[in-house]
Amino acid sequence: QSVLTQPPSVSAAPGQKVTISCSGSNSNIANNYVSWYHQLPGTAPKLLIYENNKRPSGIPDRFSGSKSATSATLGITGLQTGDEADYYCGSWDTSLTAVVFGGGTRLTVL
Amino acid sequence: EVQLVESGGGLVQPGGSLRLSCAASGFTFNNYNMNWVRQAPGKGLEWVSYINSGGATIFYADSVKGRFTISRDNAENSLYLQMNSLRDEDTAVYYCARVPGMTSRTTMDYWGQGTLVTVSS
Repeated sequence: QSVLTQPPSVSAAPGQKVTISCSGSNSNIANNYVSWYHQLPGTAPKLLIYENNKRPSGIPDRFSGSKSATSATLGITGLQTGDEADYYCGSWDTSLTAVVFGGGTRLTVL
Repeated sequence: EVQLVESGGGLVQPGGSLRLSCAASGFTFNNYNMNWVRQAPGKGLEWVSYINSGGATIFYADSVKGRFTISRDNAENSLYLQMNSLRDEDTAVYYCARVPGMTSRTTMDYWGQGTLVTVSS
């Protein structure tokens, strides 16, 4: 069971918007930065969002991150079939002194 | 070009040991913190261990504490994970990932391709 909680799956049509939630606690999300990753089958994870809402160079502004209290949200607009992947949130947990991940959310673009 | 290349995975019996390596190139290795992250077959990501750029600050997941040891050789641009007393549940693809300095330990901007460790009798 993961320390951070994500929905197992989300889906939306091409061109639409989807959000993926990540729920934590005071020991992680509320007081530490959140990162988001996506992973295509058989490949390594790729950084999408860091420090709650910053995008690395090369990540389009269709991807956005936000945080409020003990929860974080990844938003993806203008969905493309190439966005189908598994998405993970991560944060530092001060009590565990550990990096913690969510269980992952599979995005299906219908 | 930033590259991280893991090696050392393979099949090992329960109770055995393996040493994973991660060869870094294309950047100044001793300026970056590093993580090991693993992924069991069909499962999600699980963080394993963190080491800062100088090697003085180290953290482990509870699931590997006392069995795994992270280390680095900045002169050789290499990261290591010594894994002892391996268990079936350690079976996974192991990734090394770069953490830029002055950012959160969860900001992993480059990942290797992974190396598969299979623990089985």
